[in-house]
Amino acid sequence: SQQGEEDPQALSIQEGENATMNCSYKTSINNLQWYRQNSGRGLVHLILIRSNEREKHSGRLRVTLDTSKKSSSLLITASRAADTASYFCATGNSGYSTLTFGKGTMLLVSP
Amino acid sequence: GAVVSQHPSWVICKSGTSVKIECRSLDFQATTMFWYRQFPKQSLMLMATSNEGSKATYEQGVEKDKFLINHASLTLSTLTVTSAHPEDSSFYICSATRASGRAYNEQFFGPGTRLTVL
Repeated sequence: SQQGEEDPQALSIQEGENATMNCSYKTSINNLQWYRQNSGRGLVHLILIRSNEREKHSGRLRVTLDTSKKSSSLLITASRAADTASYFCATGNSGYSTLTFGKGTMLLVSP
Repeated sequence: GAVVSQHPSWVICKSGTSVKIECRSLDFQATTMFWYRQFPKQSLMLMATSNEGSKATYEQGVEKDKFLINHASLTLSTLTVTSAHPEDSSFYICSATRASGRAYNEQFFGPGTRLTVL
């Protein structure tokens, strides 16, 4: 069953703007991960944040995690047309290797 | 490192035929491989978890006789869609975890296989 719910479902912005995507989940987690998927392609791992972390950065990506609200956000700063893709959050539970994916946000960055 | 490949990348078949999809970890040993299914503009749905040398664990609602999974070695898992029908048309993605991985849930994904059943 789907654990994560991303919003918005779709986001359209101009190059240079920031894009923020949110993810909510229902059960306790060990970690939360964000992935990117270009149309018709496989998934690319972007970043993992553990349940005891609140914020993490990687290049133009910033991820926050609020375990009290069971939510996470992914911020892409200074977006580029090449950032156009679907973004999924996935949660992992302690001691298990399976991931549960959210429904994803389709991001369109226009030049 | 940690590259996963899938073959074929796309396949078109007639209804009633069987199709085999391969998932390989190219530069690491994968104790566990996962098979996902993704419909257009939707998320990934886990179908089954496959451990080398043992039977796959299927998610609820996934027919094990329809989707045969074999994980014969630490670098190869196969998914066979038996007696395929148009409703089986989908994007199938595999992932693998490293045998010596340091973190939980560190999965490496293949590029996916687009199956179209006519």
